[in-house]
Amino acid sequence: EVQLVESGGGLVQPGGPLRLSCAASGFTFSYSSIYWVRQAPGKGLEVVSGISGNGDNTYYANSVRGRFTISRDNSKNTLYLQMSSLGPEDMAVYYCARRAASSFYFDYWGQGTLVTVSS
Amino acid sequence: EIVLTQSPATLSLSPGERATLSCGASQSVSSSYLAWYQQKPGLAPRLLMYAASSRATGIPDRFSGSGSGTDFTLTINRLEPEDFAVYYCQQYGTSPLTFGQGTKVEIK
Repeated sequence: EVQLVESGGGLVQPGGPLRLSCAASGFTFSYSSIYWVRQAPGKGLEVVSGISGNGDNTYYANSVRGRFTISRDNSKNTLYLQMSSLGPEDMAVYYCARRAASSFYFDYWGQGTLVTVSS
Repeated sequence: EIVLTQSPATLSLSPGERATLSCGASQSVSSSYLAWYQQKPGLAPRLLMYAASSRATGIPDRFSGSGSGTDFTLTINRLEPEDFAVYYCQQYGTSPLTFGQGTKVEIK
């Protein structure tokens, strides 16, 4: 069974950093591109960042480029999102989602982790 | 960036009725690379459809998708109680990947 489990969310002060993790199981992690998709309270979905299976290719939305860094450790089946200079606009539930093979829709999602930016 | 506009914002229906949800794109979605997701409160989105009309694994056949170019439709025949949720479309033919703002299907 494919599972994606996010962790690391919480309360952070404006301008502060936070690192999210996504632990994967039930599939060959190194073969899959994984993305972070966020959802602000009561809002829709936004693709934030993505990384290829071997880590060579990354994607960032304009809204986070230069502030967020995506990485992965295939030996630990874990994806990371290092976030810095967080602002109120970054407050959201962050989901990790597996990109379907040879396509760009998302076939499995984690349960999400909430990031709250507040002083 | 391709903007997806979903309509209506809210659909009020009774169990057993048919739901028709629309997703319009600001420019043509290449190769009908359009997906639909269902999201229930407090839960992650769940893939329903991809390539506009292909059902994902385990999705019942009362869900169907159609469309091409700039106009896509998700149809839910004979609504079941568990179908009341928010539905999002997503285009994946052009970067950046984008989602619609969602249609809420609520119990009338």
